[in-house]
Amino acid sequence: AQTVTQSQPEMSVQEAETVTLSCTYDTSESDYYLFWYKQPPSRQMILVIRQEAYKQQNATENRFSVNFQKAAKSFSLKISDSQLGDAAMYFCAYEDDKIIFGKGTRLHILP
Amino acid sequence: SQTIHQWPATLVQPVGSPLSLECTVEGTSNPNLYWYRQAAGRGLQLLFYSVGIGQISSEVPQNLSASRPQDRQFILSSKKLLLSDSGFYLCAWSVGRGPNTEAFFGQGTRLTVV
Repeated sequence: AQTVTQSQPEMSVQEAETVTLSCTYDTSESDYYLFWYKQPPSRQMILVIRQEAYKQQNATENRFSVNFQKAAKSFSLKISDSQLGDAAMYFCAYEDDKIIFGKGTRLHILP
Repeated sequence: SQTIHQWPATLVQPVGSPLSLECTVEGTSNPNLYWYRQAAGRGLQLLFYSVGIGQISSEVPQNLSASRPQDRQFILSSKKLLLSDSGFYLCAWSVGRGPNTEAFFGQGTRLTVV
């Protein structure tokens, strides 16, 4: 069965600095999708970034980028120039026939 | 445009009472539908997902059931609630795997079983 593991329950970063959130997953599939979602205090889930497994190029969205290592089954999220509005719970997710999520990493931004 | 409606937003129910949470999607057809539960400060646990009418896959054996009576309607039910059923329930939909695949979430239902 597919699993998604986020080993960092909480992290803190100074405003304007860079932080990397870790995610590993387990699957026997070769064609799948990976995501990072953000859940602010409002609890609304917001897609941050998407990666297609068959694409070797790492996805980027403005200050957000991923390091996708398919062989290692690793999918980390880098947030550059951290802002106070980035404070939230971040979930790594995997999709082939269904979408499953990790347990999340709570990110604190220190002013 | 596509929208997802989930209700109610909050619910307080006594132990042993029944439960019905409803989720409907507009603006798309044949979506994949999901029910997740989020315990306080925890991750999203996949409870049920459906790829079509009457097709329900259960991920975690428990006190809950799901039904999909119509293409864009997904219902989460329980005959008798337990204290452990308390949590934040999220409905979501997606179009399935594809270049722009993404899960779209409802606003969530905060269920407190007392």
